[in-house]
Amino acid sequence: QITLKESGPTLVKPTQTLTLTCNISGFSLSSRGVGVVWIRQPPGKALEWLALIYWDDDKRYSPSLQSRLTITKDTTKNQVVLTMTNMDPVDTGTYYCAHRKTGWGMFDYWGQGTLVTVSS
Amino acid sequence: SYVLTQPPSVSVAPGKTAKITCEGNNIGGKGVHWYQQKPGQAPVVVIYSDTDRPSGIPERFSGSNSGNTATLTISRVEAGDEADYYCQVWHSNSDLVIFGGGTKLTVL
Repeated sequence: QITLKESGPTLVKPTQTLTLTCNISGFSLSSRGVGVVWIRQPPGKALEWLALIYWDDDKRYSPSLQSRLTITKDTTKNQVVLTMTNMDPVDTGTYYCAHRKTGWGMFDYWGQGTLVTVSS
Repeated sequence: SYVLTQPPSVSVAPGKTAKITCEGNNIGGKGVHWYQQKPGQAPVVVIYSDTDRPSGIPERFSGSNSGNTATLTISRVEAGDEADYYCQVWHSNSDLVIFGGGTKLTVL
């Protein structure tokens, strides 16, 4: 059974760096074809894709946020980590990690999400 | 950049059919996925690759995709279908993920 769970701070100050961790189970981050993404959702607004990491450590980023994002994985810890620098109140929202269905471009398993508020 | 456009809201009476559209340039050439999101919950895929339905999703949910418009159709709408619906594609040219702006389905 595939599960994902996000963790990280609930409150960060403007200009700080956010670090979120996605703990996965039920699949291996080193299995061929595996991909994990981060997606966020401001309150009352639409989903926004942030970053993707593949089993072979290839990475993709949202062009609008690329300069602020870093996605990494630790296969031994079964974790995918997202860092976002220079946080701003507009970055407030729920952050999700999700599993990309191997061979497909869609996300079949999602974490419950973690709400991050950016405020001084 | 590639943009997906959805109507902000769709309203339908119980038992009727709801159609939610997702417009994009030549979207018919891409695989479209649809997610349902209820308040306070993570999204759940209801249709993938234009027309496929994951196990556990009722047959009332179907999809189509042609030209510049993809459509999610929900037949015999129930109160429990009230949710936000998002379309999504994989922009293979740049290997990027694109979501539509979402449509709020209201069951009257």
